[in-house]
Amino acid sequence: ETGVTQTPRHLVMGMTNKKSLKCEQHLGHNAMYWYKQSAKKPLELMFVYSLEERVENNSVPSRFSPECPNSSHLFLHLHTLQPEDSALYLCASSQGASAYEQYFGPGTRLTVT
Amino acid sequence: GQQVMQIPQYQHVQEGEDFTTYCNSSTTLSNIQWYKQRPGGHPVFLIQLVKSGEVKKQKRLTFQFGEAKKNSSLHITATQTTDVGTYFCAGEASSNTGKLIFGQGTTLQVKP
Repeated sequence: ETGVTQTPRHLVMGMTNKKSLKCEQHLGHNAMYWYKQSAKKPLELMFVYSLEERVENNSVPSRFSPECPNSSHLFLHLHTLQPEDSALYLCASSQGASAYEQYFGPGTRLTVT
Repeated sequence: GQQVMQIPQYQHVQEGEDFTTYCNSSTTLSNIQWYKQRPGGHPVFLIQLVKSGEVKKQKRLTFQFGEAKKNSSLHITATQTTDVGTYFCAGEASSNTGKLIFGQGTTLQVKP
């Protein structure tokens, strides 16, 4: 499946580093999402972008900063993360922001040391 | 805030047995979606239910949406080893914001 791609697939970073996660969708969708998946916790919605505008910011700490330059690309900028931020970060896209199935990317496995 | 509870958390079955996972929302939903995540993989969309009391079938999988649109279930008949994975329900509140709230998931193990 290559509809939604994410890079890098694995990332190890120190707490003082700055890094970015990239997501690209090739499906012509208008909405994109960032989710956090931690062990033993449900998928947590972080951000929703619809037509390149942020429509949902789910009380995410400011050390996570999203960017959506166009409808095909979504970034998650990371800085001064904490070890508890280690998780699988999943990007998804859908045709619209409501009542549409979401297509997930393979995720970025992030480890904060 | 809106919560979606899913039970059981884990289920081990013998191949050929049936399996059911249940999903309950604290608020009325506009729709509910089901996803499957294989070990090491990412969630993959299975189905969406929109109407009160709706029942949909996909081969051995039967999905139901409650009359009050606050609960849902997924039933698998005669499980196979290929059914192994975690099944998530995800509800969207009636405000139609596009915000899906996921349940904790039910991890299914199938013994051959």
